[in-house]
Amino acid sequence: GAGVSQTPSNKVTEKGKYVELRCDPISGHTALYWYRQSLGQGPEFLIYFQGTGAADDSGLPNDRFFAVRPEGSVSTLKIQRTERGDSAVYLCASSKTGTGAGANVLTFGAGSRLTVL
Amino acid sequence: DAKTTQPTSMDCAEGRAANLPCNHSTISGNEYVYWYRQIHSQGPQYIIHGLKNNETNEMASLIITEDRKSSTLILPHATLRDTAVYYCIVVGYGGSQGNLIFGKGTKLSVKP
Repeated sequence: GAGVSQTPSNKVTEKGKYVELRCDPISGHTALYWYRQSLGQGPEFLIYFQGTGAADDSGLPNDRFFAVRPEGSVSTLKIQRTERGDSAVYLCASSKTGTGAGANVLTFGAGSRLTVL
Repeated sequence: DAKTTQPTSMDCAEGRAANLPCNHSTISGNEYVYWYRQIHSQGPQYIIHGLKNNETNEMASLIITEDRKSSTLILPHATLRDTAVYYCIVVGYGGSQGNLIFGKGTKLSVKP
């Protein structure tokens, strides 16, 4: 597609529930990233995929958060036993390459706003 | 990666140049300076990046001081659509791919 697509755009859930957020990157982009943005803050890195594998998951806050990219294209961010503190905008980005200076030229989606009641 | 310091907010008159400063005094030799912006309710948008030479593209110019300890992003003719939060990010070549530290950025308000 023309840009990075994220679904759903908005998700409201109850504390303790499981949620999945989907990201469809730009076709041909090998690198994919998840970020989280809380109100009034800049985006914070969660995880980076190069192809199908997670090359850097150092930003995942705890083991309730997990992400997959089984075929090297679409990715799903999974959050178990959601807590109110998980409420944020979850941003996905992709780039043409995961190496060199171009690796940090990211194209972001519009984000999925998660609200945990 | 080096830490950056930016003013919290700035105003600019429509049609005038917007000059957004960034301090990165601890930058190391292999670290690039990247600029992104985020318009309200949208994801961040890449603007420009540079290592030590000044850079220009269709969106902006990036001026990096000779000692590389600071830089300025220049929007030559600001429009109302340039109202956004602008983030200056320093990241090393070959490491921490895509792990960008955004900070709080500078909120630029372009006024008519």
